[in-house]
Amino acid sequence: LAKTTQPISMDSYEGQEVNITCSHNNIATNDYITWYQQFPSQGPRFIIQGYKTKVTNEVASLFIPADRKSSTLSLPRVSLSDTAVYYCLVGDTDLTGGGNKLTFGTGTQLKVEL
Amino acid sequence: EAQVTQNPRYLITVTGKKLTVTCSQNMNHEYMSWYRQDPGLGLRQIYYSMNVEVTDKGDVPEGYKVSRKEKRNFPLILESPSPNQTSLYFCASTLGQGHNSPLHFGNGTRLTVT
Repeated sequence: LAKTTQPISMDSYEGQEVNITCSHNNIATNDYITWYQQFPSQGPRFIIQGYKTKVTNEVASLFIPADRKSSTLSLPRVSLSDTAVYYCLVGDTDLTGGGNKLTFGTGTQLKVEL
Repeated sequence: EAQVTQNPRYLITVTGKKLTVTCSQNMNHEYMSWYRQDPGLGLRQIYYSMNVEVTDKGDVPEGYKVSRKEKRNFPLILESPSPNQTSLYFCASTLGQGHNSPLHFGNGTRLTVT
């Protein structure tokens, strides 16, 4: 079964770059890697998704090595408003679920200070 | 506005009294799913549905039921709630399969069972 492992928490300061790494050793061939951001008492919000190498959008970059057993979410120049929990998600591809059964990890609590 | 709507936002009930949490999406998404979130445990998938009349168990389905009679609605049913089902619940939907397209989450339902 696919499972993700992330650091429980990270601290940073405004203006710094933050890199959060997720381990997913059992990722299946056709699974994508997706990252979500969650603020207290709100539903998670999509940040970025990728399959291999590097993906960049207006808020983050996602780095995926060739073996795809891990991925790194990079947040450039964080601000106080980036304080949130960040989840990495991969599918749980097996004969029954076909990648549609989803297993989130416990997430990484990022705290940004002045 | 494209959104996933859950109702109610807050619910307090007693053990054994059947309840339903509704979820509706207006994006014509095929995939819908339910999650519970508990401190220290992250997001755990309860049930998911690939399309109308198709539902499958997630990681923690015990004590829950779902139905998918219409594409837009995916209610979560607790036939006989117990205190260990006190949690924050989220509904989510996506156009493609759960693992390869971004999920859109509702704002959550905080359930307390006494």
